[in-house]
Amino acid sequence: GQNIDQPTEMTATEGAIVQINCTYQTSGFNGLFWYQQHAGEAPTFLSYNVLDGLEEKGRFSSFLSRSKGYSYLLLKELQMKDSASYLCAVLIKAAGNKLTFGGGTRVLVKP
Amino acid sequence: NAGVMQNPRHLVRRRGQEARLRCSPMKGHSHVYWYRQLPEEGLKFMVYLQKENIIDESGMPKERFSAEFPKEGPSILRIQQVVRGDSAAYFCASSAGYTDTQYFGPGTRLTVL
Repeated sequence: GQNIDQPTEMTATEGAIVQINCTYQTSGFNGLFWYQQHAGEAPTFLSYNVLDGLEEKGRFSSFLSRSKGYSYLLLKELQMKDSASYLCAVLIKAAGNKLTFGGGTRVLVKP
Repeated sequence: NAGVMQNPRHLVRRRGQEARLRCSPMKGHSHVYWYRQLPEEGLKFMVYLQKENIIDESGMPKERFSAEFPKEGPSILRIQQVVRGDSAAYFCASSAGYTDTQYFGPGTRLTVL
């Protein structure tokens, strides 16, 4: 089966850095996505990793190690608006590619 | 350039009624995916469609649920004889190719009374 684990909740202070880890055990790996989801809203795309290494995009960076089944999302210079759920999702190579999501990590940014 | 559009945004049905959820993909996208998010849970894949074809429906409940993506018009997720357990947010996503980034619509929040 497919298994994707990430912490349920994290709290951090405005201006700080937070790292959200994601571990996965899947078959047919075809890439890993991170999405941000504010309460009651749609997930919005943040990053995509298919090769090992770090992808940097402004205040957000995402890292992937395929051999370890591990990824993290790094949020720098936290702002209050970053309070949201962060979803780790693996693209599974199947009859058609489909995203399998972890349960999401709720990040609360405090002043 | 409009993003993925879904309607209605909120839908209330009584037990036993039918629910029809519509999704129009982003311009240029021909791949549509439906996901369900139960309260306080993660997103779960339901079905993947291309125009006039169901590619993968491994996440669809065996009964009462169906999906289509006709040659013309939006993709439709249909739930017959709804039950309280169907209350959830239903998200549609689209992509340009089958390995490309999926972009999500705003979702339809279904409440079954």
